[in-house]
Amino acid sequence: NAGVTQTPKFQVLKTGQSMTLQCAQDMNHEYMSWYRQDPGMGLRLIHYSVGAGITDQGEVPNGYNVSRSTTEDFPLRLLSAAPSQTSVYFCASSYSMSSGSSYEQYFGPGTRLTVT
Amino acid sequence: SQQGEEDPQALSIQEGENATMNCSYKTSINNLQWYRQNSGRGLVHLILIRSNEREKHSGRLRVTLDTSKKSSSLLITASRAADTASYFCAKETSGSRLTFGEGTQLTVNP
Repeated sequence: NAGVTQTPKFQVLKTGQSMTLQCAQDMNHEYMSWYRQDPGMGLRLIHYSVGAGITDQGEVPNGYNVSRSTTEDFPLRLLSAAPSQTSVYFCASSYSMSSGSSYEQYFGPGTRLTVT
Repeated sequence: SQQGEEDPQALSIQEGENATMNCSYKTSINNLQWYRQNSGRGLVHLILIRSNEREKHSGRLRVTLDTSKKSSSLLITASRAADTASYFCAKETSGSRLTFGEGTQLTVNP
């Protein structure tokens, strides 16, 4: 198993550009999520999905879109990049994430995004 | 706001010593998880403790949960230089979310 993979590993964007961060998992996990991590801080949830075709907003969703057409893939789209979106982005997946029935999350290696 | 606040923010110890990190939270939880992050890497799951559990062990790791005080602690015994990392607690909130704290940076000196 490759686990959770993310591409690209590094990206530099200019303000106003758009791009898609890719995330894929091969563990048949139902739950997938996107976090951003800013220097010296913990992770903040951007969007998550409890299964194919179902997505929901997390703590900091503005400026980002997601879709979940397959179990394996959960891309994150930056619509119009801003310097405030400079961060490290992590994708994670889990067998399940529901009240009273949650499991560990598996994290990808991260994408380091700089917006100039 | 960040739930699951870790204390201390940074901890420096000698190899062989024990390291204790604490995590507090504000609202009731279903479970609490601890993760480790090596510099420049993704997070790795360590232990999950459910709200009806008080203590769990995994190798050199011991996690306790006190729901009356809304706090958890992670103890690493006989620390090694390879334990140097950031440690995060994450609280499972309702609505299928994990909320992370800001982490404790642990440095284990050889």
